[in-house]
Amino acid sequence: ETGVTQSPTHLIKTRGQQVTLRCSSQSGHNTVSWYQQALGQGPQFIFQYYREEENGRGNFPPRFSGLQFPNYSSELNVNALELDDSALYLCASRPGGVRGDGEQYFGPGTRLTVT
Amino acid sequence: GESVGLHLPTLSVQEGDNSIINCAYSNSASDYFIWYKQESGKGPQFIIDIRSNMDKRQGQRVTVLLNKTVKHLSLQIAATQPGDSAVYFCAESKAAGNKLTFGGGTRVLVKP
Repeated sequence: ETGVTQSPTHLIKTRGQQVTLRCSSQSGHNTVSWYQQALGQGPQFIFQYYREEENGRGNFPPRFSGLQFPNYSSELNVNALELDDSALYLCASRPGGVRGDGEQYFGPGTRLTVT
Repeated sequence: GESVGLHLPTLSVQEGDNSIINCAYSNSASDYFIWYKQESGKGPQFIIDIRSNMDKRQGQRVTVLLNKTVKHLSLQIAATQPGDSAVYFCAESKAAGNKLTFGGGTRVLVKP
């Protein structure tokens, strides 16, 4: 296991609702990234957080937002859920900051189903 | 756990044989390449990485080859074991700390 934890494991929401997913990074890792993985596809980068600020964003609309806390843990918030938001949401942490080196360690993910 | 790769290309390999998984990447500016292994119900697990100034790197039972001329990456697994059954993704980024762009993935099935 990587030491990155995510909660909840599974979640079912209705279209139009809002959801918050949580991630605790591995000890000492100050940079957290979020990825969306649709079934049968590779993960897609949503955004990255460092020092509680968003630093780098993929091609996702503003209804995808996040937070990073002083302890480096992070939240992913999705508003106005759509059916296509159904996916596995992965959190990855690494040391070293935005220009730092270091492999990314992924958590087990949160499986979100939107009905 | 849920299935990671329902419609992915599949490589079937006999236990003990060597496996070769190929990946074509898209960005010639990418400087850092990684292979991940993802088992059902789990997040991607780092296997091995390589920078663009290298063309080969070896780990324990794995070798990554990089051909920048044709933007091709491959992962070789020696003496494939049942525990190697998973979906394998290549990923690229402009630098080690930057966002990762993942390829489509290949499912490896190891036959006993």
